[in-house]
Amino acid sequence: QKEVEQDPGPLSVPEGAIVSLNCTYSNSAFQYFMWYRQYSRKGPELLMYTYSSGNKEDGRFTAQVDKSSKYISLFIRDSQPSDSATYLCAMTVTGRDDKIIFGKGTRLHILP
Amino acid sequence: DTGVSQDPRHKITKRGQNVTFRCDPISEHNRLYWYRQTLGQGPEFLTYFQNEAQLEKSRLLSDRFSAERPKGSFSTLEIQRTEQGDSAMYLCASSLTWSGRETDTQYFGPGTRLTVL
Repeated sequence: QKEVEQDPGPLSVPEGAIVSLNCTYSNSAFQYFMWYRQYSRKGPELLMYTYSSGNKEDGRFTAQVDKSSKYISLFIRDSQPSDSATYLCAMTVTGRDDKIIFGKGTRLHILP
Repeated sequence: DTGVSQDPRHKITKRGQNVTFRCDPISEHNRLYWYRQTLGQGPEFLTYFQNEAQLEKSRLLSDRFSAERPKGSFSTLEIQRTEQGDSAMYLCASSLTWSGRETDTQYFGPGTRLTVL
């Protein structure tokens, strides 16, 4: 079993829909949780960063962490074609400077 | 400063050849990381430096791989006797330890795409 599991998709949704992306993990030592967005042939770009359990909102993006279930989610409201990308969940044990353990990424297509 | 830069962006080589990649981190970032990403997978950690010291190496980093950061600024990743399985995107990231700012994290470069024929 991999440390971080993420459905690779692809996931296709119509423009304006709410998108739900999620990951599960097995290592209870993870405390810092992130979502990265990666466009084709580019490096990952940090979208959301949360520490421990709870919710965090930033514009159209909401990240949720449930440590008791070892489950994290990213919600995108009012999805736009420009949101089409691969979304990587990621986590670390000791903080932002720790090596990052990534999921394999979910390919998202927003249909105009 | 425009972010982490990597050179070259693409490299095509024949099996058995040696290749070297360069990463220039964001200035003043004391930590530098190397990751490898294969098609359809997330990035996998290879190694990281704090200043010039290499502090951790993944088991993925075989004896054919060597990384350096001689003056604590740019870093190089060399692969000797390349194999087809080395074909991947090699990503570099940098961070500033204990900056205290909420938004600070590892910033990734655009990657070097290696194709071994």
